[in-house]
Amino acid sequence: DGGITQSPKYLFRKEGQNVTLSCEQNLNHDAMYWYRQDPGQGLRLIYYSQIVNDFQKGDIAEGYSVSREKKESFPLTVTSAQKNPTAFYLCASSIQEGVYGYTFGSGTRLTVV
Amino acid sequence: EDQVTQSPEALRLQEGESSSLNCSYTVSGLRGLFWYRQDPGKGPEFLFTLYSAGEEKEKERLKATLTKKESFLHITAPKPEDSATYLCAGYNSGGYNKLIFGAGTRLAVHP
Repeated sequence: DGGITQSPKYLFRKEGQNVTLSCEQNLNHDAMYWYRQDPGQGLRLIYYSQIVNDFQKGDIAEGYSVSREKKESFPLTVTSAQKNPTAFYLCASSIQEGVYGYTFGSGTRLTVV
Repeated sequence: EDQVTQSPEALRLQEGESSSLNCSYTVSGLRGLFWYRQDPGKGPEFLFTLYSAGEEKEKERLKATLTKKESFLHITAPKPEDSATYLCAGYNSGGYNKLIFGAGTRLAVHP
């Protein structure tokens, strides 16, 4: 079955450490997205990519980095520069053309310890 | 600035007590309005897409409607398994097509 796989489901980060969240899709979608979800707030866009080897900053990109070397993969690195990284992170993908909703992964919960 | 606002933030219903969730939007060049359901600790699941004012879509106990300024998600005779957070999102036609999400409504249905 096609879908999006995020791993790990839970991740713990120590102060000053970089961590990478994995996102893989087998839907053949061109566009991929990373969102951050905090309690009581809507999903906020971190980065998005519309094509391989190209990506753009979203609304809250500071302290995060991404790469898009393969169509299927869009990993997110949370760097030590992100001062408040504890949140639920969601990866999504979509067809590039037309008005289509996003397909979401199951999320990664990141906690600073 | 494009914005999507959902109300109420939280709603508690008794099983069988029908109600509606509201999603008001100010999204330039709105090309679609999406509803998602999200269970705790999971990613959002797609429910409906509405493209134009007056459009309605139904799925089991849920019906979504759209006007020029807002959308409603009507829940008829809800069951405890309908408990979840419901998200709406507007799809704009800006520099790149993207979904703009509201903060969601947390629905709890009690037996």
